[in-house]
Amino acid sequence: QLQLQESGSGLVKPSQTLSLTCAVSGASITNSDYSWSWIRQPPGKGLEWIGYISHSGSTYYIPSLKSRVTISLDRSKNQFSLRLTSMTAADTAVYYCARLRSDGFDIWGQGAMVTVSP
Amino acid sequence: SYELTQPPSVSVSAGQTASITCSGDKLGDKYAAWYQQKPGQSPLLLIYQDTKRPSGIPERFSGTNSGNTATLTISGTQAMDEADYYCQAWASSTACVFGGGTKLTVL
Repeated sequence: QLQLQESGSGLVKPSQTLSLTCAVSGASITNSDYSWSWIRQPPGKGLEWIGYISHSGSTYYIPSLKSRVTISLDRSKNQFSLRLTSMTAADTAVYYCARLRSDGFDIWGQGAMVTVSP
Repeated sequence: SYELTQPPSVSVSAGQTASITCSGDKLGDKYAAWYQQKPGQSPLLLIYQDTKRPSGIPERFSGTNSGNTATLTISGTQAMDEADYYCQAWASSTACVFGGGTKLTVL
């Protein structure tokens, strides 16, 4: 059964860099039928798409974060990662990893709460 | 930038039909998806490519998309359907957008 599991720093200081990893089990991240995405949700607010990476490693990001975000694949570990630099309080959110298939996000991780605080 | 607009809240009596709309410029020319999110849980894909239901999603959930509006319809609404609902579409082949979300209350 396909599962996604986020891990990484839950508390980040302002101006520092967030690093999160999404471990994928039950499917290969190199399968051409899928892409892999990060989505976040500030407390009490809606969903915001951050970006996605294709099975071949091509990346696409929301314009408002493009200068600060990197999504990458680690084929040897069957996982993908998010890196977000220059964090501020506005980046405090639950960060979800998700599989993108047929224009929809069909499998989601449980989410990782990230707080930006001194 | 492309935007999707949803009503903040919708109320429905148990057993009745609930309709949640999602509006965007020429949304009917794009594929829409719908998600359900209950408190403390990750979103769940209900509808993709306008009308398709993933395996395991009850038939009472259905979707349409035409013109500038996509609609999620829940037939025979149950108490367990009380949740937040989000629409999602691709503004371009590489840019994804979510609606602001609709809180469904089952009376």
